[in-house]
Amino acid sequence: EIVMTQSPATLSVSPGERATLSCRASQSVSSTLAWYQQKPGQAPRLLIYGASTRATGIPARFSGSGAGTEFTLTISSLQSEDFAVYYCQQYNKWPQTFGQGTKVEIK
Amino acid sequence: EVQLVESGGGLVQPGGSLRLSCAASGFSISSYTMSWVRQAPGKGLEWVSAFTTGGNTYYADSVKGRFTISRDNSKNTLYLQMNSLRADDTAVYYCAKPPVVYASYFDCWGQGTLVPVSS
Repeated sequence: EIVMTQSPATLSVSPGERATLSCRASQSVSSTLAWYQQKPGQAPRLLIYGASTRATGIPARFSGSGAGTEFTLTISSLQSEDFAVYYCQQYNKWPQTFGQGTKVEIK
Repeated sequence: EVQLVESGGGLVQPGGSLRLSCAASGFSISSYTMSWVRQAPGKGLEWVSAFTTGGNTYYADSVKGRFTISRDNSKNTLYLQMNSLRADDTAVYYCAKPPVVYASYFDCWGQGTLVPVSS
């Protein structure tokens, strides 16, 4: 199976600052990568699919990039509601796999 | 309105069985690849199983041979039969739907149902 590795495990950022999250695949997944945001007690929320396409209703401060094995989620200016855990997911091959998550916390 | 409602969770002993249901409304589950995703307490997301539009089924290695995914189109409901349950199957189980046909990422999730496996 394809192993997805996210870094860092925790990112401490001040409101208004930029956050950069990484996701690496153990083999190429082309652009079949999605990003999710999850807050405590809630189901995940789709942010990005196809590595760089924002899902419906997602603010422009969220952007995704990368292809192959290296991917990045950037939050350009962190808002209070953005402090959460973020997961990447590859859907190139079965079984689909998620990364272990990056927690974005207030600095 | 598109909605997914899971049910069937609850305390089960190691080695036991449980069947989860995911009742869908606002769309037809036969038109989408539907999945189960779980999350152990305090841990990350783990994809568990999928049922494709063509009737193919896929499983994570951790549940292969123990879990079976199925659907009832007449009831518009997805199921997950879980047998030989282990403590490490303890999790909130979500069913999830993609936004478009043939997609395999998820924009619609249920509220989840908790399955604690413990004696």
